[in-house]
Amino acid sequence: NAGVTQTPKFRILKIGQSMTLQCTQDMNHNYMYWYRQDPGMGLKLIYYSVGAGITDKGEVPNGYNVSRSTTEDFPLRLELAAPSQTSVYFCASSYAGSGNTIYFGEGSWLTVV
Amino acid sequence: AQSVTQLDSQVPVFEEAPVELRCNYSSSVSVYLFWYVQYPNQGLQLLLKYLSGSTLVESINGFEAEFNKSQTSFHLRKPSVHISDTAEYFCAVSDSGAGGTSYGKLTFGQGTILTVHP
Repeated sequence: NAGVTQTPKFRILKIGQSMTLQCTQDMNHNYMYWYRQDPGMGLKLIYYSVGAGITDKGEVPNGYNVSRSTTEDFPLRLELAAPSQTSVYFCASSYAGSGNTIYFGEGSWLTVV
Repeated sequence: AQSVTQLDSQVPVFEEAPVELRCNYSSSVSVYLFWYVQYPNQGLQLLLKYLSGSTLVESINGFEAEFNKSQTSFHLRKPSVHISDTAEYFCAVSDSGAGGTSYGKLTFGQGTILTVHP
Protein backbone atom coordinates (compact mmCIF):
# COMPACT_ATOMS: atom_id res chain seq x y z
CA ASN A 1 0.00 0.00 0.00
CA ALA A 2 2.94 2.40 -0.43
CA GLY A 3 1.57 4.52 -3.31
CA VAL A 4 3.57 7.76 -3.62
CA THR A 5 6.36 8.15 -1.07
CA GLN A 6 8.20 11.41 -0.43
CA THR A 7 11.27 12.07 1.68
CA PRO A 8 12.14 13.99 3.76
CA LYS A 9 8.91 15.00 5.46
CA PHE A 10 10.44 18.06 7.12
CA ARG A 11 13.57 20.03 6.33
CA ILE A 12 15.07 23.39 7.26
CA LEU A 13 17.51 24.88 4.79
CA LYS A 14 19.72 27.94 4.95
CA ILE A 15 19.59 30.46 2.12
CA GLY A 16 21.84 29.32 -0.72
CA GLN A 17 21.93 25.66 0.27
CA SER A 18 20.87 22.91 -2.11
CA MET A 19 18.80 19.82 -1.55
CA THR A 20 16.82 17.12 -3.29
CA LEU A 21 13.29 16.04 -2.44
CA GLN A 22 12.91 12.38 -3.25
CA CYS A 23 9.74 10.87 -4.70
CA THR A 24 9.01 7.29 -5.66
CA GLN A 25 5.80 5.53 -6.70
CA ASP A 26 5.08 1.81 -6.91
CA MET A 27 1.95 1.94 -9.08
CA ASN A 28 3.76 1.84 -12.44
CA HIS A 29 2.29 5.23 -13.35
CA ASN A 30 3.59 6.97 -16.45
CA TYR A 31 2.85 10.49 -15.31
CA MET A 32 4.44 12.17 -12.32
CA TYR A 33 4.13 15.71 -10.98
CA TRP A 34 5.58 18.09 -8.43
CA TYR A 35 3.31 20.71 -6.88
CA ARG A 36 3.92 23.31 -4.20
CA GLN A 37 1.23 24.47 -1.81
CA ASP A 38 1.23 27.90 -0.22
CA PRO A 39 -1.47 29.06 2.22
CA GLY A 40 -4.51 30.47 0.46
CA MET A 41 -2.97 29.83 -2.96
CA GLY A 42 -3.96 26.27 -3.74
CA LEU A 43 -1.41 24.04 -5.45
CA LYS A 44 0.84 25.19 -8.27
CA LEU A 45 2.52 22.81 -10.72
CA ILE A 46 6.32 23.01 -10.70
CA TYR A 47 7.36 20.26 -13.12
CA TYR A 48 5.84 17.15 -14.61
CA SER A 49 6.96 14.06 -16.47
CA VAL A 50 5.10 11.81 -18.89
CA GLY A 51 7.63 9.01 -18.79
CA ALA A 52 11.23 8.09 -18.08
CA GLY A 53 13.57 10.59 -19.68
CA ILE A 54 10.83 13.16 -20.40
CA THR A 55 10.21 16.20 -18.22
CA ASP A 56 8.61 19.59 -18.76
CA LYS A 57 8.00 22.83 -16.89
CA GLY A 58 4.80 23.63 -15.11
CA GLU A 59 3.50 26.96 -13.90
CA VAL A 60 6.26 27.81 -11.37
CA PRO A 61 9.53 26.06 -12.41
CA ASN A 62 12.07 28.78 -11.55
CA GLY A 63 14.60 27.69 -8.93
CA TYR A 64 13.91 23.98 -9.40
CA ASN A 65 15.16 21.10 -11.52
CA VAL A 66 13.93 17.56 -12.03
CA SER A 67 15.02 14.32 -13.63
CA ARG A 68 13.21 11.07 -14.46
CA SER A 69 15.67 8.26 -15.04
CA THR A 70 13.20 5.52 -14.06
CA THR A 71 9.44 5.10 -14.10
CA GLU A 72 9.36 4.95 -10.30
CA ASP A 73 11.44 7.97 -9.28
CA PHE A 74 11.01 11.70 -9.83
CA PRO A 75 13.35 13.77 -7.61
CA LEU A 76 13.02 17.55 -7.29
CA ARG A 77 16.22 19.56 -6.87
CA LEU A 78 16.50 22.99 -5.28
CA GLU A 79 19.86 24.45 -6.28
CA LEU A 80 20.12 27.74 -4.36
CA ALA A 81 17.43 27.84 -1.73
CA ALA A 82 15.60 31.13 -1.24
CA PRO A 83 12.99 32.14 1.38
CA SER A 84 10.37 32.22 -1.40
CA GLN A 85 10.77 28.45 -1.67
CA THR A 86 9.43 27.93 1.83
CA SER A 87 6.40 25.79 1.10
CA VAL A 88 4.83 22.35 1.26
CA TYR A 89 5.81 20.19 -1.70
CA PHE A 90 3.68 17.36 -3.04
CA CYS A 91 4.72 14.69 -5.46
CA ALA A 92 1.94 12.97 -7.38
CA SER A 93 1.43 10.36 -10.07
CA SER A 94 -1.23 8.99 -12.41
CA TYR A 95 -1.76 6.63 -15.28
CA ALA A 96 -1.40 8.18 -18.69
CA GLY A 97 -4.46 10.01 -19.95
CA SER A 98 -6.51 12.98 -18.91
CA GLY A 99 -9.22 12.37 -16.35
CA ASN A 100 -7.34 9.65 -14.52
CA THR A 101 -7.07 10.04 -10.77
CA ILE A 102 -3.89 11.73 -9.57
CA TYR A 103 -2.47 10.19 -6.40
CA PHE A 104 -0.57 12.43 -4.00
CA GLY A 105 2.20 11.80 -1.53
CA GLU A 106 1.91 13.06 2.02
CA GLY A 107 3.99 16.17 1.43
CA SER A 108 7.37 17.60 2.36
CA TRP A 109 7.48 20.70 4.55
CA LEU A 110 10.45 22.89 3.59
CA THR A 111 11.54 26.02 5.42
CA VAL A 112 14.31 28.26 4.08
CA VAL A 113 15.87 30.62 6.64
CA ALA B 1 -5.28 28.80 -19.93
CA GLN B 2 -7.62 27.72 -17.16
CA SER B 3 -8.46 29.17 -13.80
CA VAL B 4 -10.49 28.02 -10.81
CA THR B 5 -12.11 30.21 -8.19
CA GLN B 6 -13.37 28.87 -4.90
CA LEU B 7 -15.65 31.54 -3.63
CA ASP B 8 -15.28 30.87 0.10
CA SER B 9 -11.95 30.50 1.86
CA GLN B 10 -13.57 29.24 5.07
CA VAL B 11 -16.97 27.67 5.76
CA PRO B 12 -17.98 26.96 9.37
CA VAL B 13 -21.04 24.80 9.93
CA PHE B 14 -22.65 22.82 12.72
CA GLU B 15 -22.75 19.05 12.68
CA GLU B 16 -25.69 17.57 10.74
CA ALA B 17 -26.27 20.83 8.85
CA PRO B 18 -26.11 20.96 5.03
CA VAL B 19 -23.13 22.55 3.33
CA GLU B 20 -22.24 23.85 -0.12
CA LEU B 21 -18.70 24.66 -1.21
CA ARG B 22 -18.68 26.78 -4.32
CA CYS B 23 -16.39 26.42 -7.32
CA ASN B 24 -16.34 28.30 -10.60
CA TYR B 25 -13.91 27.74 -13.43
CA SER B 26 -12.80 29.43 -16.61
CA SER B 27 -11.48 27.59 -19.64
CA SER B 28 -11.39 27.98 -23.41
CA VAL B 29 -11.53 24.19 -23.91
CA SER B 30 -13.59 21.31 -22.59
CA VAL B 31 -12.61 20.31 -19.07
CA TYR B 32 -12.69 17.54 -16.55
CA LEU B 33 -13.58 18.62 -13.02
CA PHE B 34 -12.40 17.30 -9.67
CA TRP B 35 -12.84 17.80 -5.96
CA TYR B 36 -9.95 16.78 -3.71
CA VAL B 37 -9.94 16.72 0.10
CA GLN B 38 -6.94 17.33 2.34
CA TYR B 39 -7.01 16.32 5.99
CA PRO B 40 -4.51 18.02 8.33
CA ASN B 41 -0.88 17.15 7.59
CA GLN B 42 -1.81 14.79 4.79
CA GLY B 43 -1.73 14.74 1.03
CA LEU B 44 -4.74 15.29 -1.19
CA GLN B 45 -7.26 12.54 -1.87
CA LEU B 46 -9.73 12.45 -4.72
CA LEU B 47 -13.30 12.97 -3.49
CA LEU B 48 -15.15 12.86 -6.82
CA LYS B 49 -14.76 13.79 -10.46
CA TYR B 50 -16.78 14.66 -13.52
CA LEU B 51 -15.55 13.39 -16.87
CA SER B 52 -18.70 13.01 -18.95
CA GLY B 53 -22.26 11.74 -18.80
CA SER B 54 -24.54 12.58 -15.89
CA THR B 55 -23.80 16.03 -14.57
CA LEU B 56 -24.41 14.93 -10.98
CA VAL B 57 -21.58 12.91 -9.46
CA GLU B 58 -21.42 11.39 -6.00
CA SER B 59 -18.74 10.22 -3.59
CA ILE B 60 -18.90 7.21 -1.31
CA ASN B 61 -19.14 9.36 1.82
CA GLY B 62 -22.23 11.37 0.90
CA PHE B 63 -20.81 14.34 -1.01
CA GLU B 64 -22.14 15.25 -4.43
CA ALA B 65 -21.27 17.83 -7.05
CA GLU B 66 -23.12 19.05 -10.11
CA PHE B 67 -21.47 20.21 -13.29
CA ASN B 68 -23.22 23.27 -14.68
CA LYS B 69 -21.72 24.12 -18.04
CA SER B 70 -23.73 27.29 -18.61
CA GLN B 71 -22.64 28.73 -15.26
CA THR B 72 -19.17 27.13 -15.43
CA SER B 73 -19.62 25.82 -11.91
CA PHE B 74 -18.99 22.59 -10.02
CA HIS B 75 -20.31 23.17 -6.52
CA LEU B 76 -19.84 20.52 -3.83
CA ARG B 77 -22.70 19.71 -1.48
CA LYS B 78 -23.50 17.44 1.42
CA PRO B 79 -26.93 17.30 3.05
CA SER B 80 -25.65 16.51 6.55
CA VAL B 81 -22.02 16.96 7.62
CA HIS B 82 -20.06 15.15 10.30
CA ILE B 83 -17.19 16.26 12.49
CA SER B 84 -14.94 14.01 10.43
CA ASP B 85 -15.64 16.10 7.31
CA THR B 86 -13.51 18.89 8.76
CA ALA B 87 -10.77 19.38 6.15
CA GLU B 88 -9.65 21.61 3.31
CA TYR B 89 -11.37 21.02 -0.02
CA PHE B 90 -9.87 21.84 -3.40
CA CYS B 91 -11.66 22.17 -6.70
CA ALA B 92 -9.50 21.45 -9.76
CA VAL B 93 -9.79 21.26 -13.53
CA SER B 94 -7.82 19.71 -16.34
CA ASP B 95 -8.53 20.01 -20.00
CA SER B 96 -10.17 16.99 -21.50
CA GLY B 97 -7.15 16.03 -23.52
CA ALA B 98 -8.30 16.75 -27.05
CA GLY B 99 -5.10 16.78 -29.04
CA GLY B 100 -3.34 14.71 -26.38
CA THR B 101 -1.29 17.45 -24.76
CA SER B 102 -2.91 18.00 -21.39
CA TYR B 103 -1.11 15.13 -19.63
CA GLY B 104 -3.67 15.27 -16.84
CA LYS B 105 -2.21 18.44 -15.35
CA LEU B 106 -4.51 19.97 -12.76
CA THR B 107 -5.23 23.63 -12.11
CA PHE B 108 -6.39 24.09 -8.53
CA GLY B 109 -8.54 26.62 -6.77
CA GLN B 110 -7.35 28.32 -3.60
CA GLY B 111 -9.06 25.84 -1.29
CA THR B 112 -11.98 26.05 1.15
CA ILE B 113 -11.50 25.12 4.78
CA LEU B 114 -14.61 23.37 6.06
CA THR B 115 -14.89 23.33 9.83
CA VAL B 116 -17.69 21.29 11.36
CA HIS B 117 -18.60 22.27 14.91
CA PRO B 118 -20.41 19.99 17.39
